Amino acid sequence: DTAVSQTPKYLVTQMGNDKSIKCEQNLGHDTMYWYKQDSKKFLKIMFSYNNKELIINETVPNRFSPKSPDKAHLNLHINSLELGDSAVYFCASSHGRDTQYFGPGTRLTVL
Amino acid sequence: SQQGEEDPQALSIQEGENATMNCSYKTSINNLQWYRQNSGRGLVHLILIRSNEREKHSGRLRVTLDTSKKSSSLLITASRAADTASYFCATFGTGANNLFFGTGTRLTVIP
Repeated sequence: DTAVSQTPKYLVTQMGNDKSIKCEQNLGHDTMYWYKQDSKKFLKIMFSYNNKELIINETVPNRFSPKSPDKAHLNLHINSLELGDSAVYFCASSHGRDTQYFGPGTRLTVL
Repeated sequence: SQQGEEDPQALSIQEGENATMNCSYKTSINNLQWYRQNSGRGLVHLILIRSNEREKHSGRLRVTLDTSKKSSSLLITASRAADTASYFCATFGTGANNLFFGTGTRLTVIP
C-alpha cells in the first residue's frame, strides 16, 4: 500500500485559475509537509502541519493555503495561479523530527 | 538561510567505484538526513544521523557527521548503475519545525 499518496500526478491549468492538490498518508504520522521543487531541483519547505499547528514559511505567498481535514490529510489549495507557480509539489509526513516519507509529487504547469 | 550546500554538484563515476558526496550546513542541528531522488520521482530516505552520532552505516552506504565543522559526507561503495540519482542532505535544526534541504549532488554511474 502507498504510504504517502498525492493526486493528481500532473496538473496543467491556465493562469488565474484556482486548483487543489490532495495528499494522504496512512503511516499514522503526526506531522505533514508541503515542499516545492523548482526547475533547478531546489527543494523548499512551504508548510508543516503538526497537531493542528500550522507553520508557514514566510516566503510563501498567501495565495497558497494548506487545509487539513484530519491527521491523515493535508491538501494544498492555490488561488490565482501564476506562471511562477509551475513546479513539482511534494507532500511528506513524519513522526516528529524523524525520517520524512515523501509522496510521488504533483507536476504543476501553469500556462 | 539554513539551506545546506552539497559538493560536488555533479559526479560521474564508473560502476564499481566509490562515490563520496559532501554536505555543509550553517546552524546547529538535531539530526541530518540523506535522501535519494530518481529522475521524475519522489524522494526516498536513506539514512538519518543524529547530532550526537559520528558515523552510520546502511548496506553500501556510510554517513559521517562532524558537528564541529558543520559537515557530513555520504559514501556509496561499489556503485551500481541503479545508484544513478540525485542525492540530497537535509538538516533538522535545533528548535526548527522542518527539514532544510541542500542543493543536491547529481550522481551518474556509468555501466
